[in-house]
Amino acid sequence: AQSVAQPEDQVNVAEGNPLTVKCTYSVSGNPYLFWYVQYPNRGLQFLLKYITGDNLVKGSYGFEAEFNKSQTSFHLKKPSALVSDSALYFCAVRDGANRGSTLGRLYFGRGTQLTVWP
Amino acid sequence: DAGVTQSPTHLIKTRGQHVTLRCSPISGHKSVSWYQQVLGQGPQFIFQYYEKEERGRGNFPDRFSARQFPNYSSELNVNALLLGDSALYLCASSATGVSNQPQHFGDGTRLSIL
Repeated sequence: AQSVAQPEDQVNVAEGNPLTVKCTYSVSGNPYLFWYVQYPNRGLQFLLKYITGDNLVKGSYGFEAEFNKSQTSFHLKKPSALVSDSALYFCAVRDGANRGSTLGRLYFGRGTQLTVWP
Repeated sequence: DAGVTQSPTHLIKTRGQHVTLRCSPISGHKSVSWYQQVLGQGPQFIFQYYEKEERGRGNFPDRFSARQFPNYSSELNVNALLLGDSALYLCASSATGVSNQPQHFGDGTRLSIL
């Protein structure tokens, strides 16, 4: 069964410092991994994805994520945090094997609330 | 270009009533998925439709149903509403139904059951 764990409910960081939001996953086949961000009273906004290839994936707004197959992790990172990065971040996974009824299904973690202090 | 649009933005219903939520995908997108997001949790998959056919269904009761129209817009219907159905309902679209493409989400419909 597919699942995602985000071990930290909350991450606090000072503006200008690097940030990391952690994610680990479990899938039956090859993982397709995604990060989304949610601002208050809004839907989810796509940040980046890992499908195959380079383990370091670059996305929107200066975010990047590192895929680690041996540790089944896909941590979100940013070298220098901004106050405007404060939001709820979700990691999601799909089984890349395209099995029938799970074709379009994303499995989400519980989310990590990121707060960047000025 | 317009993103995924959902209507209404907010809705208040009472137990036992029925509700219909609507979604228009990004132009050119043929796949629509529905998710339920309860406060404090990640979104949970309800349905996916592609080319007007159901391609996946999550672990939700038969009170939940959906359909996709020829213009690729979609409706989510929920019958016999329960207090536990209070949530943000998110619609997402993607160009095709394949799993390596990101889904793009609307801002959701916040449903409150009294």
